[in-house]
Amino acid sequence: QSVLTQPPSVSGAPGQRVTISCTGSSSNIGAGYDVHWYQQLPGTAPKLLIYANINRPSGVPDRFSGSRSGTSASLAITGLQAEDEANYYCQSYDTSLSGSVFGRGTKLTVL
Amino acid sequence: QLQLQESGPGLVKPSETLSLTCTVSSVSISSNSYYWGWIRQPPGKGLEWIGSFYYSGSTHYNPSLKSRVTTSVDTSKNQFSLKLSSATAADTAVYYCARNPYGELSQFDYWGQGTLVTVSS
Repeated sequence: QSVLTQPPSVSGAPGQRVTISCTGSSSNIGAGYDVHWYQQLPGTAPKLLIYANINRPSGVPDRFSGSRSGTSASLAITGLQAEDEANYYCQSYDTSLSGSVFGRGTKLTVL
Repeated sequence: QLQLQESGPGLVKPSETLSLTCTVSSVSISSNSYYWGWIRQPPGKGLEWIGSFYYSGSTHYNPSLKSRVTTSVDTSKNQFSLKLSSATAADTAVYYCARNPYGELSQFDYWGQGTLVTVSS
């Protein structure tokens, strides 16, 4: 059981918009710690998608965006494409665990 | 372009020490104020942070693994290493090394391709 809760799966049709939530608590996201998001395609290493809540590394399309509010964060993907089908993980810091933590991941299916 | 590559035995016997090395290319691990880290992923499961450390000695480990984890740095080879003692089947996972620019509060921005380690007799 992770301290960061993500939905196990989400789905959407090509061209649609989907959001993936990452719900924490007062010891992590709610304490103001940054949230980072990763995309993991099957059989590959995770790739940084969003860092420090809202920032995209160079090369990441602007179809991907992040937000944080209160004890939660969200990743939004607009204009869904078949290549977006992957697992997505959020990451933050937790003071109770004294370390970095990952959500359990959300599998995105493009219908 | 920064690249990381994990290496080490793919099979470890229970109770033995799991040892992995990460070789970093294009950036000196001692020339910038970056942290480096290890993350693992059991087959079919999610990501677990193992630890983050600075080349000169500052270390931060997952409390659940802290008693068994040791990390070290070889600046002459631009490598860093992970040792996990008393391995059990629960340690079977793909192990990734990554750059963790500002320590465990920050993101992991460059990752190795990962290496599968199986703990079995």
